Amino acid sequence: QSALTQPASVSGSPGQSITISCTGTSSDVGGYNYVSWYQQHPGKAPKLMIYDVSNRPSGVSNRFSGSKSGNTASLTISGLQAEDEADYYCSSYTSSSPWVFGGGTKLTVL
Amino acid sequence: EVQLVESGGGLVQPGGSLRLSCAASGFTFSSYWMHWVRQAPGKGLVWVSRINSDGSSTSYADSVKGRFTISRDNAKNTLYLQMNSLRAEDTAVYYCARVGFLHYYFDYWGQGTLVTVSS
Repeated sequence: QSALTQPASVSGSPGQSITISCTGTSSDVGGYNYVSWYQQHPGKAPKLMIYDVSNRPSGVSNRFSGSKSGNTASLTISGLQAEDEADYYCSSYTSSSPWVFGGGTKLTVL
Repeated sequence: EVQLVESGGGLVQPGGSLRLSCAASGFTFSSYWMHWVRQAPGKGLVWVSRINSDGSSTSYADSVKGRFTISRDNAKNTLYLQMNSLRAEDTAVYYCARVGFLHYYFDYWGQGTLVTVSS
């Protein structure tokens, strides 16, 4: 099972918005509404930020939002803050593996 | 408070074995499916294995199938990963993670335990 495709890096200035894409296939992202997003700071465990494409767990800022179109899911962070600088990973249930992650995206807050 | 605490990592020679543990607390362990996810140094997350709530069903990534065995002891609130025939490419931080029944996301993760396979 190949990893989902994410950009290696994105950057933005404080207060701006950024979007991270996550591209899969009809067997994973496109076939199920089970895309989730995780934030990982260096040396720390991943933290759930978005589940089932667009739902936010309790305690996660509403600056984080998720969406999906076809085989591509997206994570948008609005009002960028310094503390958002981290690695972000998407994940999807698949018909085969049965879970697959993206390669990760490093977010830099300029 | 939900807590997942991994242990058992360390340095092992190629071909060797290691058993990881994940002690759970703060929730009804026997109601949740549990997973192992690993992360090689400087690399991304990779799903390794999962077990259902009563331990009757398991699944593995192709890269570890036949070498790793996931199990659980619901009386001890503990998840295990028995790793045999270890290879250099198994070097990674291993995380245990929780998934709710009929859910498809990892809502809590442990802090991870490092496994290094080297001679």
